[in-house]
Amino acid sequence: AQSVTQLDSQVPVFEEAPVELRCNYSSSVSVYLFWYVQYPNQGLQLLLKYLSGSTLVKGINGFEAEFNKSQTSFHLRKPSVHISDTAEYFCAVSTTGANNLFFGTGTRLTVIP
Amino acid sequence: GAGVSQTPSNKVTEKGKYVELRCDPISGHTALYWYRQSLGQGPEFLIYFQGTGAADDSGLPNDRFFAVRPEGSVSTLKIQRTERGDSAVYLCASSAFRGRQETQYFGPGTRLLVL
Repeated sequence: AQSVTQLDSQVPVFEEAPVELRCNYSSSVSVYLFWYVQYPNQGLQLLLKYLSGSTLVKGINGFEAEFNKSQTSFHLRKPSVHISDTAEYFCAVSTTGANNLFFGTGTRLTVIP
Repeated sequence: GAGVSQTPSNKVTEKGKYVELRCDPISGHTALYWYRQSLGQGPEFLIYFQGTGAADDSGLPNDRFFAVRPEGSVSTLKIQRTERGDSAVYLCASSAFRGRQETQYFGPGTRLLVL
């Protein structure tokens, strides 16, 4: 079975400051990893995904994430956040044997002016 | 082009009633997924269609929940004898099945409230 842990339910950060949203996963098989963002009253939107290859993945809106197999982590980072980054962020995993996604409980990022 | 659409956007019903939630996937996408998102939680997988058939329905919580996709495009999630615990946002996603781990594109969801 797979599981995803997002350690921080809420992260407040000042505008133009860096941010890291943490994600750890558990799986007995190889995984694919995703970060989705959910803006208020909108659907989930893919930020980035790791399937294979380079462990540093760059996504949209200046976000990046690094896959660390030994620490079973896939933390999301941005060097300088904007007000418009205020949203709910979800980490998700899937496996080579399935198509569905397992999601974490989400981290609410609030960017403070 | 158009994204995934879901109707209705909001649905209020009474305990014990039957409801249908509709999903229109992106044109040409053969894979379709239903998820349920309860308050304060991440989306939880319900069922996955490849074409017209349900390839994986392991996430359906009980036999009150059923979904169909008769022509391989639009899908309907059906909930019988609704309970207050069914209140949640029901999300639909679709992907172009060219191999595993194609990006899933999500709709805005249907917010179901069971009184």
